[in-house]
Amino acid sequence: DQQVKQNSPSLSVQEGRISILNCDYTNSMFDYFLWYKKYPAEGPTFLISISSIKDKNEDGRFTVFLNKSAKHLSLHIVPSQPGDSAVYFCAASGLQGAQKLVFGQGTRLTINP
Amino acid sequence: DTGVSQDPRHKITKRGQNVTFRCDPISEHNRLYWYRQTLGQGPEFLTYFQNEAQLEKSRLLSDRFSAERPKGSFSTLEIQRTEQGDSAMYLCASSLLRTKRSYTFGSGTRLTVV
Repeated sequence: DQQVKQNSPSLSVQEGRISILNCDYTNSMFDYFLWYKKYPAEGPTFLISISSIKDKNEDGRFTVFLNKSAKHLSLHIVPSQPGDSAVYFCAASGLQGAQKLVFGQGTRLTINP
Repeated sequence: DTGVSQDPRHKITKRGQNVTFRCDPISEHNRLYWYRQTLGQGPEFLTYFQNEAQLEKSRLLSDRFSAERPKGSFSTLEIQRTEQGDSAMYLCASSLLRTKRSYTFGSGTRLTVV
């Protein structure tokens, strides 16, 4: 059972525009959500997170939005830069097994000059 | 501190052989995690340690898999009698107790079973 889903395997965006990556989850017990970024031949790198008590968290060019009623979160990158080209994973964890992260399948973002 | 270190980076083994991977976490991190990632999928949780205690194991971790973290420092993940389905990237991560689940990952060990 895929509890965290990223339905877009890939996304292509022009440099300077907004990139929006989406993630859906099914487990209502999840209370913390994270985005990780992965370059080839490297491990995932933590990007930004949000607690279920918030609906928005911003860090520089990156903003994560959480819609609990829809069980949906999104990552906005504005403006997109070539160095943002990578695979992005959303992840979730819950009160039970709180240390375990459940990851989505990832979305490959390509920023075109 | 150079981050989370994993060794080897790549391992090719014949089916039925045993393999062992090592992870050196960030020195002050007391939590250590193992994940497995297959092609086109996100990382899947295998197990985690708090200091030397193994606190949770996934059902993905069959009897052929064993993980240790002696003295709460480095960790090893051993796979016995490897199968082709074990081919994957094995990722190690570490974190501090107070960190809200934002781990630091290593670069992983890519296992290919032929």
